[in-house]
Amino acid sequence: DVKVTQSSRYLVKRTGEKVFLECVQDMDHENMFWYRQDPGLGLRLIYFSYDVKMKEKGDIPEGYSVSREKKERFSLILESASTNQTSMYLCASSLPGQTNTEAFFGQGTRLTVV
Amino acid sequence: GIQVEQSPPDLILQEGANSTLRCNFSDSVNNLQWFHQNPWGQLINLFYIPSGTKQNGRLSATTVATERYSLLYISSSQTTDSGVYFCAVERRGGSEKLVFGKGTKLTVNP
Repeated sequence: DVKVTQSSRYLVKRTGEKVFLECVQDMDHENMFWYRQDPGLGLRLIYFSYDVKMKEKGDIPEGYSVSREKKERFSLILESASTNQTSMYLCASSLPGQTNTEAFFGQGTRLTVV
Repeated sequence: GIQVEQSPPDLILQEGANSTLRCNFSDSVNNLQWFHQNPWGQLINLFYIPSGTKQNGRLSATTVATERYSLLYISSSQTTDSGVYFCAVERRGGSEKLVFGKGTKLTVNP
């Protein structure tokens, strides 16, 4: 079974804190993704990584950075958390290419910034 | 970028009823997936179906790639089918990123 694991299911942080969200996958997938989900706005891509140390901005990268030092781990970093970053964060992984590119998601992290 | 539209946005059924959810997309795709988001927020993979028809128990899906739509069928619905169903696509020749529709919220009443 493909497994994508996010480090926390629920997280409460204070405004201005540096926040790390961790994601680990066990399927040797090259591609990893971070999305956020908000009511009425759906799922939006924050960052995408297609290999170790490689990253690409998604649709809403402002206020976030990422780190991919090892193939299985993709971290999302909120440099200085703000209340508008309160959201559900979802990590995913997939293989690259034109076929067999099914994506698998972690269980999600509900982040509240107070 | 590619546009993904799901309909209906909300659907309320009685247990045992059948339903059809639709996903329209605006460009050719390499990947199309259907997900069910459970009450705890996790996205559960239902189908990976860039073309053709697949069945899994009471659920089935059909993608007509040439006409740029996909349908998810739920038969004999159960209360546990409640939740939000998402369609997501990866544009052919694109950068391997999934673009999601806004979802269909299904409520199955006992």
